[in-house]
Amino acid sequence: QVQLVQSGAEVKKPGASVKVSCKASGYTFTNYGISWVRQAPGQGLEWMGWMSGYNANTNYAERLQGRVTMTRDTSTSTAYMELRSLRSDDTAVYYCAKMTAVVGDVFDIWGQGTMVTVSS
Amino acid sequence: QSALTQPASVSGSPGQSITISCTGTSGDVGGFNFVCWYQHHPGKAPRLIIYDVIKRPSGLSNRFSGSKSGNTASLTISGLQAEDEADYYCSSYTSSSTLVFGGGTKLTVL
Repeated sequence: QVQLVQSGAEVKKPGASVKVSCKASGYTFTNYGISWVRQAPGQGLEWMGWMSGYNANTNYAERLQGRVTMTRDTSTSTAYMELRSLRSDDTAVYYCAKMTAVVGDVFDIWGQGTMVTVSS
Repeated sequence: QSALTQPASVSGSPGQSITISCTGTSGDVGGFNFVCWYQHHPGKAPRLIIYDVIKRPSGLSNRFSGSKSGNTASLTISGLQAEDEADYYCSSYTSSSTLVFGGGTKLTVL
């Protein structure tokens, strides 16, 4: 079946970087884009950006520009999200989500989430 | 991009209907028919329940329906059931080719 499996929880110090992986299975990876969404404790969902399934072009949320990079490895059907210069308010559950097209706004399959804790 | 505006909470009794609103601007909700709704049970992954304002994913109960008027989209859940208790989020494509979520609404089934 179609699924996204994310890497495990991370604990990082302020100023460090984190790279979360998202392995896709059950569908043709390059036919659909991947988006990343996060949820800080007690807060709502926040869209971080998306990556085209066709050519890996990216578009990031303005407030994360310069700190976030989304990449992929088509040989392993894995998407990655790296966030740099971590701050305490980056503590959140990070989700990857499959789009229903190469680029789009509809997320039909979600990963299980990865908890990233930023603490000194 | 500011978050779309949703009520913080709504409640209803089993069997009743409730409606959750999602208000944006002409640059997002009002400008495109690209509004989605997601159901999120804490600790689990969000689930798509409405896309393109009014469409339901295959196999989803027809108790869930979506609509839009101007800059406000709405999600209606009819025949409330205990398992509908969750957080609900709207999202919209924007004129900047980005996406914005609503602040979320906690649904309590009394």
